[in-house]
Amino acid sequence: NAGVMQNPRHLVRRRGQEARLRCSPMKGHSHVYWYRQLPEEGLKFMVYLQKENIIDESGMPKERFSAEFPKEGPSILRIQQVVRGDSAAYFCASSATGLAFFGQGTRLTVV
Amino acid sequence: DAKTTQPNSMESNEEEPVHLPCNHSTISGTDYIHWYRQLPSQGPEYVIHGLTSNVNNRMASLAIAEDRKSSTLILHRATLRDAAVYYCILGVPTDSWGKLQFGAGTQVVVTP
Repeated sequence: NAGVMQNPRHLVRRRGQEARLRCSPMKGHSHVYWYRQLPEEGLKFMVYLQKENIIDESGMPKERFSAEFPKEGPSILRIQQVVRGDSAAYFCASSATGLAFFGQGTRLTVV
Repeated sequence: DAKTTQPNSMESNEEEPVHLPCNHSTISGTDYIHWYRQLPSQGPEYVIHGLTSNVNNRMASLAIAEDRKSSTLILHRATLRDAAVYYCILGVPTDSWGKLQFGAGTQVVVTP
């Protein structure tokens, strides 16, 4: 049973470009969570999704960031018009009805 | 949300036990105590969780105080692979159990 899969593991974008981060939850998991870890800082919750629904986006920046978890396929965290301050590690976690398990993250570097 | 307090860092020798304390004086009756750890350049990894009774699994043991205002994660024999940041987090078992409030955690250093 594969764990939570995130890709790409590393992503480099120029300022102003779009970044798309993908997360495939563990088999049987219908809940997905996205977290951001800025350099030298702690993990911060961003958004919680179930299939086709955003349940809690209280940690999402108001602009440029969006997330989706379609009926088919991975969850996508999308960052439009990236800026240097978006450089961070982005982690996805998934759960069924209990404990959450994390992926290895995508490290976004904005140059 | 109830908060937890952990020491910034702890050091241990390899193959020695490590006791990681966590204070959670404002814990509510329904809060579970979770421990995750994060190895360098990796995602958080679930370690253990409990409510009232002490818990053991293959990775660690969790000792919970009788008043539940504190707990201790015990690594019985530290290895170099146990060097990580350990997070003590409170959570309620709802659909959003994956919405975790990470603090700064305890950086564990294991010396050969």
